[in-house]
Amino acid sequence: GDSVTQMEGPVTLSEEAFLTINCTYTATGYPSLFWYVQYPGEGLQLLLKATKADDKGSNKGFEATYRKETTSFHLEKGSVQVSDSAVYFCALSDRYVNNNDMRFGAGTRLTVKP
Amino acid sequence: DAGVTQSPTHLIKTRGQQVTLRCSPKSGHDTVSWYQQALGQGPQFIFQYYEEEERQRGNFPDRFSGHQFPNYSSELNVNALLLGDSALYLCASSQRDRWMEQYFGPGTRLTVT
Repeated sequence: GDSVTQMEGPVTLSEEAFLTINCTYTATGYPSLFWYVQYPGEGLQLLLKATKADDKGSNKGFEATYRKETTSFHLEKGSVQVSDSAVYFCALSDRYVNNNDMRFGAGTRLTVKP
Repeated sequence: DAGVTQSPTHLIKTRGQQVTLRCSPKSGHDTVSWYQQALGQGPQFIFQYYEEEERQRGNFPDRFSGHQFPNYSSELNVNALLLGDSALYLCASSQRDRWMEQYFGPGTRLTVT
């Protein structure tokens, strides 16, 4: 079935460093792709999304491009801040294949040090 | 505007017992989904409710059941609890026609001893 694989953490960076968190997917149809962020003690928040190939989702300085040819949706940020420390989840959902069932990766914990 | 709320925050149960978790969706949302998040893992889809009916179900046994009320709030029931049911249970709400925009609650931490 449809699934997502993301790079294992934890990832530790210094403030203002460049961030990349890799995510690849397996899908039978044409899913929408998402990045969610989970801050300590909180639920998941949608960070960005992309609904078709070559779409770029962006929010709060984070970006990810839907690459059908490499089945990837890597998360990037040019300059991370301490406040970006959280767990990041890549996810996919295909309304026509699995009817809104959101499939999540295992999560990548990011720690940003001052 | 209150977001998605869940109760209780934490719960400790014994093996074999039954538990009920509650969720109130974000105002204006009519669809509720439940997820199980084991420690160090991503959430796994349990089921989704819309118009008071279960519309979609993930790979979970029948011990997991749910309900949606006319005001769109929802309950998750788990019978015959196992140690492996210990997890964070997340509720997410959305509008049916804007299904990609799921809003998550803070979750209920269930510990089974």
